[in-house]
Amino acid sequence: GDSVTQMEGPVTLSEEAFLTINCTYTATGYPSLFWYVQYPGEGLQLLLKATKADDKGSNKGFEATYRKETTSFHLEKGSVQVSDSAVYFCALSRSNDYKLSFGAGTTVTVRA
Amino acid sequence: DTAVSQTPKYLVTQMGNDKSIKCEQNLGHDTMYWYKQDSKKFLKIMFSYNNKELIINETVPNRFSPKSPDKAHLNLHINSLELGDSAVYFCASSQRGLAFFGQGTRLTVV
Repeated sequence: GDSVTQMEGPVTLSEEAFLTINCTYTATGYPSLFWYVQYPGEGLQLLLKATKADDKGSNKGFEATYRKETTSFHLEKGSVQVSDSAVYFCALSRSNDYKLSFGAGTTVTVRA
Repeated sequence: DTAVSQTPKYLVTQMGNDKSIKCEQNLGHDTMYWYKQDSKKFLKIMFSYNNKELIINETVPNRFSPKSPDKAHLNLHINSLELGDSAVYFCASSQRGLAFFGQGTRLTVV
């Protein structure tokens, strides 16, 4: 079945540091890939998405590129802020499926 | 306007009780879900409904019973609550894989 594997946390960084969270997936066909973010005490919200190979999703300074050859969708941000402290989830879905499969989540803490 | 709203936000109850969590979405989506998030933030899908029909039931105990009276609502009823049911429960709706989540219901069973 479909699965998503993302790097384990927690990750602690200083402000303005570079952030990368690795995500790889296993799925048949051509899934859509997503990054969701969960701020403390809130539900998940979409951060960015990519629907086909080589697509790059970007939002709020975060980027991720859909790499079919390595089945990866790594999340990056060049300069993090304290407000980026959250749990980040990689996810995938297939167009003919009703299931959104999530990775285990990576907790990121950014210190001033 | 809140896209996906669930109530209550907090729920503290004793073991053995029966409780319900309500969820409503105003996005016109066909698909709705219930997810359980444990203390390590791991998200596990419980149920998925599409146009009021159950599509996914991920080996959830029979004590959990979802009900979808219409496309915009998916409620979760839990019988005979156990300590292990303590978690945050999220409702979500989606269209073409893009999901919107409610704020979550923190259930504490004492």
